[in-house]
Amino acid sequence: GENVEQHPSTLSVQEGDSAVIKCTYSDSASNYFPWYKQELGKRPQLIIDIRSNVGEKKDQRIAVTLNKTAKHFSLHITETQPEDSAVYFCAAPISGGYNKLIFGAGTRLAVHP
Amino acid sequence: GAVVSQHPSWVICKSGTSVKIECRSLDFQATTMFWYRQFPKQSLMLMATSNEGSKATYEQGVEKDKFLINHASLTLSTLTVTSAHPEDSSFYICSARDRKGAETQYFGPGTRLLVL
Repeated sequence: GENVEQHPSTLSVQEGDSAVIKCTYSDSASNYFPWYKQELGKRPQLIIDIRSNVGEKKDQRIAVTLNKTAKHFSLHITETQPEDSAVYFCAAPISGGYNKLIFGAGTRLAVHP
Repeated sequence: GAVVSQHPSWVICKSGTSVKIECRSLDFQATTMFWYRQFPKQSLMLMATSNEGSKATYEQGVEKDKFLINHASLTLSTLTVTSAHPEDSSFYICSARDRKGAETQYFGPGTRLLVL
């Protein structure tokens, strides 16, 4: 079945720096890759997603890149701000219908002023 | 748009009792909803997939007789934790997909369950 690995588990940056989080997946048939942001005690919020027919997608300070050959995708946050501090999860679909998602272990991002 | 609600937001119960959690899609119809469990500082673990009008499908290791799921309408799924024990204490989160076919899952705010 699908397996998603996410690195790093924690990431600490200075305000204004960039942050990169990487995920690898195992199922070559996967075609949809969302990223979620979860603040403490709150629901996961979709921040960006990418489908397998494109290699990169950008939304203001957030971008996602996809390498289908290597089976990995990355989240890039530029000009980080303290409010970017949260846990970020990548996900990939499990084959077998219903588009079930399997989530990475999460990355705790801390942005220091 | 794409708002999902959950009720209750938190619940404390005695060991052995049952707890029902509701998940509603407020502004869209969801043929498929998902139930996750999240322990502190851990990832979201899929428990089951709830399908409107049919039986739920459970992930390996999740007891279907303990976690009863009912998806009675296109906007409501319920999860009942039966005979709850302290080890069932967790953050339960649902998500829903719009029946129009997009892959995006929208999450509810979660229900924090504490079993004493």
